[in-house]
Amino acid sequence: EADIYQTPRYLVIGTGKKITLECSQTMGHDKMYWYQQDPGMELHLIHYSYGVNSTEKGDLSSESTVSRIRTEHFPLTLESARPSHTSQYLCASSVAVWNEQFFGPGTRLTVL
Amino acid sequence: AQTVTQSQPEMSVQEAETVTLSCTYDTSESDYYLFWYKQPPSRQMILVIRQEAYKQQNATENRFSVNFQKAAKSFSLKISDSQLGDAAMYFCAFTGNQFYFGTGTSLTVIP
Repeated sequence: EADIYQTPRYLVIGTGKKITLECSQTMGHDKMYWYQQDPGMELHLIHYSYGVNSTEKGDLSSESTVSRIRTEHFPLTLESARPSHTSQYLCASSVAVWNEQFFGPGTRLTVL
Repeated sequence: AQTVTQSQPEMSVQEAETVTLSCTYDTSESDYYLFWYKQPPSRQMILVIRQEAYKQQNATENRFSVNFQKAAKSFSLKISDSQLGDAAMYFCAFTGNQFYFGTGTSLTVIP
């Protein structure tokens, strides 16, 4: 299995709460990604980073924000969670854009 | 625009039989990579197989093989001797200057 970790695995919170989804990898990869995926559905890229202090928005508009202060760490933050944010969030990393991406186990978020 | 299309939202196969999942892509690039990923229910996404576009030989990983037709921009996945553990969502992916995923095919394996 790939050395990429996500915490928490499951999270149930109330509307309006601030949350941070953690993602870390021990492979030294420069490229990291956040995807949003509803159960059994396609992946939507919401954020990516090509290195420290570099972050970009993906194809799907998201109210979340990300930071990349350390190579191994790529947290995603929602300032005020809403029920529409209920989904699974997958973190991934790769050596280069054209290389395979390694995925974390995902965080399943439910906002009540 | 670069796109990846999986035209089969759902497929089923009898255990021990062979199934082929289809994938087409569109790109103007000549050098790129193609992947098939597997996502079992409630489990981690893992890489099944990878193909470099400059290689004419089709990639093979045990029971999994691809049929890569570069001119037709087609990249199908063949699973031989299907097992219950093969049941999952399968995503085709293409990468040139960015990574693109298809919409996925849900594979059911019938005992």
